[in-house]
Amino acid sequence: GAVVSQHPSWVICKSGTSVKIECRSLDFQATTMFWYRQFPKQSLMLMATSNEGSKATYEQGVEKDKFLINHASLTLSTLTVTSAHPEDSSFYICSARWGSGSRSEQFFGPGTRLTVL
Amino acid sequence: KNEVEQSPQNLTAQEGEFITINCSYSVGISALHWLQQHPGGGIVSLFMLSSGKKKHGRLIATINIQEKHSSLHITASHPRDSAVYICAVRVMDSNYQLIWGAGTKLIIKP
Repeated sequence: GAVVSQHPSWVICKSGTSVKIECRSLDFQATTMFWYRQFPKQSLMLMATSNEGSKATYEQGVEKDKFLINHASLTLSTLTVTSAHPEDSSFYICSARWGSGSRSEQFFGPGTRLTVL
Repeated sequence: KNEVEQSPQNLTAQEGEFITINCSYSVGISALHWLQQHPGGGIVSLFMLSSGKKKHGRLIATINIQEKHSSLHITASHPRDSAVYICAVRVMDSNYQLIWGAGTKLIIKP
């Protein structure tokens, strides 16, 4: 099946620094990419949806200035956590959609664990 | 009542046993995902289903759209299958909104 990669798989940073997470669709062009966040022992929560070349659509309660999403190409989306704080420590997962309508499929990246000290 | 219910919440079994994890949903869907999450958090996409049955190795996923129910089966279970299995449904006509099940924690003992 199609592969979605994330880099890095884990990152530890100091409070106040910014961290960039990359999400790549390796063997297909993704018309839409999604970013999720998972708190310990909880389900995944959609943060934002991004389409290539346009601004991301953020879910209610997600700060767009805090979590910058760039979807510069059909195979790459980045999530930048700006001025990270310990409460931003979480597991971030991206997914990428191929195709459209009933013939679309969605593939998930392996996730990135962020720890902010 | 949650729109996506998984059962059981926790399952412990012996190596070699046949495992079934269930997912029931109450909304109209266009697709259903099964994902596996390992203890370290890593996510693996197992299946995406919109009808019928899919098989990959020892894993089988089925879906009954009329009954709004899906099952994930593991044959000849192995300790490395120990993980959390998550069901997520893509809501019909929703621009790819996903509703997530709470997950089933599976432990396979050697």
